[in-house]
Amino acid sequence: AQSVTQLGSHVSVSEGALVLLRCNYSSSVPPYLFWYVQYPNQGLQLLLKYTTGATLVKGINGFEAEFKKSETSFHLTKPSAHMSDAAEYFCAVSATGGSQGNLIFGKGTKLSVKP
Amino acid sequence: NAGVTQTPKFQVLKTGQSMTLQCAQDMNHNSMYWYRQDPGMGLRLIYYSASEGTTDKGEVPNGYNVSRLNKREFSLRLESAAPSQTSVYFCASSERVAGNEQFFGPGTRLTVL
Repeated sequence: AQSVTQLGSHVSVSEGALVLLRCNYSSSVPPYLFWYVQYPNQGLQLLLKYTTGATLVKGINGFEAEFKKSETSFHLTKPSAHMSDAAEYFCAVSATGGSQGNLIFGKGTKLSVKP
Repeated sequence: NAGVTQTPKFQVLKTGQSMTLQCAQDMNHNSMYWYRQDPGMGLRLIYYSASEGTTDKGEVPNGYNVSRLNKREFSLRLESAAPSQTSVYFCASSERVAGNEQFFGPGTRLTVL
Protein backbone atom coordinates (compact mmCIF):
# COMPACT_ATOMS: atom_id res chain seq x y z
CA ALA A 1 0.00 0.00 0.00
CA GLN A 2 1.06 3.58 -0.57
CA SER A 3 1.09 6.52 1.81
CA VAL A 4 2.26 10.13 1.76
CA THR A 5 3.51 12.38 4.55
CA GLN A 6 3.87 16.11 4.09
CA LEU A 7 5.97 17.72 6.78
CA GLY A 8 4.50 21.00 7.96
CA SER A 9 0.86 21.94 7.47
CA HIS A 10 1.87 25.62 7.14
CA VAL A 11 5.03 27.12 5.65
CA SER A 12 5.70 30.85 5.52
CA VAL A 13 8.43 32.46 3.41
CA SER A 14 9.33 35.97 2.36
CA GLU A 15 8.93 37.06 -1.23
CA GLY A 16 12.13 36.18 -3.09
CA ALA A 17 13.13 33.45 -0.64
CA LEU A 18 13.55 29.76 -1.37
CA VAL A 19 10.43 27.63 -1.18
CA LEU A 20 10.90 24.07 0.14
CA LEU A 21 7.88 21.84 0.72
CA ARG A 22 8.63 18.37 1.99
CA CYS A 23 7.02 15.12 0.92
CA ASN A 24 7.93 11.57 1.93
CA TYR A 25 6.17 8.54 0.57
CA SER A 26 6.00 4.84 1.12
CA SER A 27 5.26 2.42 -1.66
CA SER A 28 5.68 -1.31 -2.10
CA VAL A 29 6.10 -0.85 -5.85
CA PRO A 30 7.89 1.78 -7.96
CA PRO A 31 5.81 4.90 -7.46
CA TYR A 32 4.48 7.65 -9.64
CA LEU A 33 4.66 10.94 -7.73
CA PHE A 34 2.73 14.15 -8.19
CA TRP A 35 2.54 17.67 -6.81
CA TYR A 36 -0.72 19.57 -7.11
CA VAL A 37 -1.52 23.18 -6.22
CA GLN A 38 -4.87 24.50 -5.02
CA TYR A 39 -5.59 28.20 -5.07
CA PRO A 40 -8.39 29.47 -2.81
CA ASN A 41 -11.84 28.26 -3.82
CA GLN A 42 -10.52 26.34 -6.81
CA GLY A 43 -9.88 22.75 -7.77
CA LEU A 44 -6.46 21.12 -7.85
CA GLN A 45 -4.05 21.77 -10.69
CA LEU A 46 -1.06 19.61 -11.55
CA LEU A 47 2.32 21.26 -10.91
CA LEU A 48 4.57 18.38 -11.93
CA LYS A 49 4.87 14.61 -11.94
CA TYR A 50 7.53 11.91 -11.80
CA THR A 51 6.92 8.66 -13.61
CA THR A 52 10.23 7.21 -14.75
CA GLY A 53 13.56 8.50 -16.04
CA ALA A 54 15.14 11.75 -14.92
CA THR A 55 14.79 12.19 -11.19
CA LEU A 56 14.73 16.01 -11.31
CA VAL A 57 11.37 17.08 -12.62
CA LYS A 58 10.49 20.60 -13.71
CA GLY A 59 6.95 21.88 -13.52
CA ILE A 60 4.93 24.98 -14.11
CA ASN A 61 5.52 28.37 -12.48
CA GLY A 62 9.22 27.67 -11.82
CA PHE A 63 8.70 24.74 -9.45
CA GLU A 64 10.75 21.57 -9.51
CA ALA A 65 11.01 18.40 -7.47
CA GLU A 66 13.59 15.68 -7.11
CA PHE A 67 12.77 12.00 -6.68
CA LYS A 68 15.18 10.44 -4.18
CA LYS A 69 14.53 6.73 -3.91
CA SER A 70 17.02 6.19 -1.10
CA GLU A 71 15.28 8.82 1.02
CA THR A 72 11.75 8.01 -0.23
CA SER A 73 11.31 11.72 -0.78
CA PHE A 74 9.89 14.02 -3.44
CA HIS A 75 10.41 17.53 -2.10
CA LEU A 76 9.10 20.55 -4.01
CA THR A 77 11.30 23.61 -4.44
CA LYS A 78 11.26 27.02 -6.07
CA PRO A 79 14.32 29.29 -5.92
CA SER A 80 12.44 32.56 -5.43
CA ALA A 81 8.92 32.83 -4.00
CA HIS A 82 6.36 35.15 -5.53
CA MET A 83 3.23 36.47 -3.87
CA SER A 84 1.16 34.52 -6.41
CA ASP A 85 2.62 31.23 -5.06
CA ALA A 86 0.47 31.51 -1.93
CA ALA A 87 -1.73 28.42 -2.09
CA GLU A 88 -2.10 24.93 -0.70
CA TYR A 89 0.15 22.23 -2.11
CA PHE A 90 -0.56 18.51 -2.15
CA CYS A 91 1.84 15.67 -2.76
CA ALA A 92 0.36 12.42 -4.11
CA VAL A 93 1.61 8.92 -4.89
CA SER A 94 0.24 6.29 -7.21
CA ALA A 95 1.26 2.72 -7.81
CA THR A 96 2.32 1.82 -11.29
CA GLY A 97 -0.41 -0.67 -11.85
CA GLY A 98 -3.32 -2.77 -10.70
CA SER A 99 -5.78 -1.98 -7.97
CA GLN A 100 -3.22 0.13 -6.15
CA GLY A 101 -3.23 2.69 -8.90
CA ASN A 102 -5.42 5.30 -7.22
CA LEU A 103 -3.77 8.52 -6.11
CA ILE A 104 -3.08 8.78 -2.39
CA PHE A 105 -2.84 12.40 -1.26
CA GLY A 106 -0.94 13.95 1.60
CA LYS A 107 -2.79 16.26 3.97
CA GLY A 108 -1.45 19.37 2.25
CA THR A 109 0.90 22.24 3.07
CA LYS A 110 -0.41 25.79 3.03
CA LEU A 111 2.22 28.21 1.72
CA SER A 112 2.11 31.85 2.78
CA VAL A 113 4.33 34.45 1.11
CA LYS A 114 5.15 37.63 3.03
CA PRO A 115 5.97 40.85 1.18
CA ASN B 1 -12.60 22.23 -23.83
CA ALA B 2 -14.39 22.72 -20.52
CA GLY B 3 -12.38 19.94 -18.83
CA VAL B 4 -14.23 18.69 -15.75
CA THR B 5 -17.44 20.47 -14.80
CA GLN B 6 -19.44 20.08 -11.60
CA THR B 7 -22.91 21.23 -10.59
CA PRO B 8 -23.99 22.78 -8.36
CA LYS B 9 -21.20 25.02 -7.02
CA PHE B 10 -22.87 25.49 -3.65
CA GLN B 11 -25.63 23.65 -1.82
CA VAL B 12 -27.22 23.82 1.61
CA LEU B 13 -29.23 20.81 2.79
CA LYS B 14 -31.10 19.93 5.93
CA THR B 15 -30.30 16.69 7.72
CA GLY B 16 -32.09 13.81 6.03
CA GLN B 17 -32.51 15.48 2.64
CA SER B 18 -31.11 13.86 -0.48
CA MET B 19 -29.26 15.31 -3.42
CA THR B 20 -27.15 14.36 -6.42
CA LEU B 21 -23.90 16.04 -7.40
CA GLN B 22 -23.25 16.00 -11.11
CA CYS B 23 -19.90 15.70 -12.87
CA ALA B 24 -19.01 15.63 -16.55
CA GLN B 25 -15.72 15.54 -18.46
CA ASP B 26 -15.04 16.20 -22.12
CA MET B 27 -11.53 14.73 -22.34
CA ASN B 28 -12.63 11.21 -23.31
CA HIS B 29 -11.12 9.86 -20.11
CA ASN B 30 -11.84 6.33 -18.99
CA SER B 31 -11.59 6.86 -15.23
CA MET B 32 -13.50 9.20 -12.94
CA TYR B 33 -13.37 9.90 -9.22
CA TRP B 34 -15.20 11.57 -6.37
CA TYR B 35 -13.25 13.06 -3.46
CA ARG B 36 -14.15 15.01 -0.39
CA GLN B 37 -11.87 17.63 1.10
CA ASP B 38 -12.00 18.56 4.75
CA PRO B 39 -9.63 20.95 6.58
CA GLY B 40 -6.41 19.20 7.61
CA MET B 41 -7.48 15.92 6.00
CA GLY B 42 -6.31 16.35 2.44
CA LEU B 43 -8.43 14.67 -0.24
CA ARG B 44 -10.12 11.40 0.53
CA LEU B 45 -11.48 9.16 -2.20
CA ILE B 46 -15.17 8.34 -1.89
CA TYR B 47 -15.79 6.26 -5.02
CA TYR B 48 -14.17 5.82 -8.37
CA SER B 49 -15.01 4.38 -11.75
CA ALA B 50 -12.06 2.81 -13.53
CA SER B 51 -14.03 2.53 -16.77
CA GLU B 52 -17.54 2.93 -18.05
CA GLY B 53 -19.80 0.38 -16.39
CA THR B 54 -17.68 -0.13 -13.27
CA THR B 55 -17.61 1.57 -9.88
CA ASP B 56 -15.61 0.82 -6.75
CA LYS B 57 -15.46 2.06 -3.20
CA GLY B 58 -12.69 4.32 -2.07
CA GLU B 59 -11.55 5.23 1.42
CA VAL B 60 -14.79 6.83 2.70
CA PRO B 61 -17.82 5.42 0.81
CA ASN B 62 -20.35 5.22 3.64
CA GLY B 63 -23.42 7.39 3.09
CA TYR B 64 -22.82 7.82 -0.64
CA ASN B 65 -23.77 6.14 -3.89
CA VAL B 66 -22.49 6.73 -7.39
CA SER B 67 -23.60 6.19 -10.96
CA ARG B 68 -21.39 6.13 -14.02
CA LEU B 69 -24.09 7.24 -16.43
CA ASN B 70 -21.87 7.03 -19.52
CA LYS B 71 -18.23 7.67 -20.34
CA ARG B 72 -18.63 11.43 -19.75
CA GLU B 73 -20.74 11.57 -16.60
CA PHE B 74 -20.28 10.36 -13.03
CA SER B 75 -22.76 11.39 -10.34
CA LEU B 76 -22.57 11.21 -6.55
CA ARG B 77 -25.73 10.80 -4.48
CA LEU B 78 -26.34 11.48 -0.83
CA GLU B 79 -29.49 9.57 0.09
CA SER B 80 -29.94 11.01 3.60
CA ALA B 81 -27.56 13.86 4.27
CA ALA B 82 -25.85 14.18 7.66
CA PRO B 83 -23.89 17.11 9.14
CA SER B 84 -20.72 14.95 8.89
CA GLN B 85 -21.08 15.18 5.12
CA THR B 86 -20.52 18.93 5.16
CA SER B 87 -17.46 19.23 2.93
CA VAL B 88 -16.13 20.33 -0.42
CA TYR B 89 -16.60 17.66 -3.06
CA PHE B 90 -14.32 17.32 -6.06
CA CYS B 91 -14.79 15.27 -9.17
CA ALA B 92 -11.73 14.26 -11.20
CA SER B 93 -10.95 12.25 -14.31
CA SER B 94 -7.92 10.55 -15.82
CA GLU B 95 -7.08 8.50 -18.87
CA ARG B 96 -6.82 5.42 -16.67
CA VAL B 97 -6.36 4.70 -12.97
CA ALA B 98 -2.75 3.65 -12.56
CA GLY B 99 -0.09 6.31 -12.59
CA ASN B 100 -2.08 8.88 -14.46
CA GLU B 101 -2.51 12.57 -13.87
CA GLN B 102 -5.98 13.41 -12.64
CA PHE B 103 -7.82 16.52 -13.80
CA PHE B 104 -10.07 18.17 -11.24
CA GLY B 105 -13.32 20.06 -11.38
CA PRO B 106 -13.90 23.31 -9.47
CA GLY B 107 -15.70 21.64 -6.58
CA THR B 108 -19.09 21.71 -4.86
CA ARG B 109 -19.29 23.26 -1.41
CA LEU B 110 -21.97 21.38 0.55
CA THR B 111 -23.32 22.37 3.95
CA VAL B 112 -25.66 20.06 5.85
CA LEU B 113 -27.54 21.71 8.70
